[in-house]
Amino acid sequence: EAGVAQSPRYKIIEKRQSVAFWCNPISGHATLYWYQQILGQGPKLLIQFQNNGVVDDSQLPKDRFSAERLKGVDSTLKIQPAKLEDSAVYLCASSLAGGLNSGNTIYFGEGSWLTVV
Amino acid sequence: LAKTTQPISMDSYEGQEVNITCSHNNIATNDYITWYQQFPSQGPRFIIQGYKTKVTNEVASLFIPADRKSSTLSLPRVSLSDTAVYYCLVGINTGTASKLTFGTGTRLQVTL
Repeated sequence: EAGVAQSPRYKIIEKRQSVAFWCNPISGHATLYWYQQILGQGPKLLIQFQNNGVVDDSQLPKDRFSAERLKGVDSTLKIQPAKLEDSAVYLCASSLAGGLNSGNTIYFGEGSWLTVV
Repeated sequence: LAKTTQPISMDSYEGQEVNITCSHNNIATNDYITWYQQFPSQGPRFIIQGYKTKVTNEVASLFIPADRKSSTLSLPRVSLSDTAVYYCLVGINTGTASKLTFGTGTRLQVTL
């Protein structure tokens, strides 16, 4: 079974530029998550989708970050304009259902590494 | 939001058993506890998941006390390749919903 696919794996941009990350979840997974992981810290949830609807985006910096999952399958996370503090790994994850109840398991991609200079 | 805490780091010799504990005082009633392993430059990899008591699979065991306010990941006979950062993931009760929260992470260093 194919895992969560992400691209690009690495990206270096200058501050104030824009960047977009793409994610294709595991086939059949209704829930998709984007996490931000700053070096040395645990992942922080940015946004959670259930199919093509947003479940939780309370920690998404909406002035510069946006995400969409138009057809309820793959998703794009955009940052515009980027700041130095956005340097991090952006992890996409997916699961059959939302949350951790009933033994629902969340699977992660390899991440997209962003460096803002 | 209550923090989900883990020891920052642990050291072990190859062949020993390692136990890593995660404290999650305000865990959501219906949520399972999941543990992940993360190597540098990779995404978190699922290790084990449980709700209560003890769960065992081919790579680890998970111990969860009756009050579910903590959980302990047990790695039997670790090897050098188990050197990684280990995270617990739980749903924390915020009063209105369950919020997925990673632990602070434990960096395990295994040596000969």
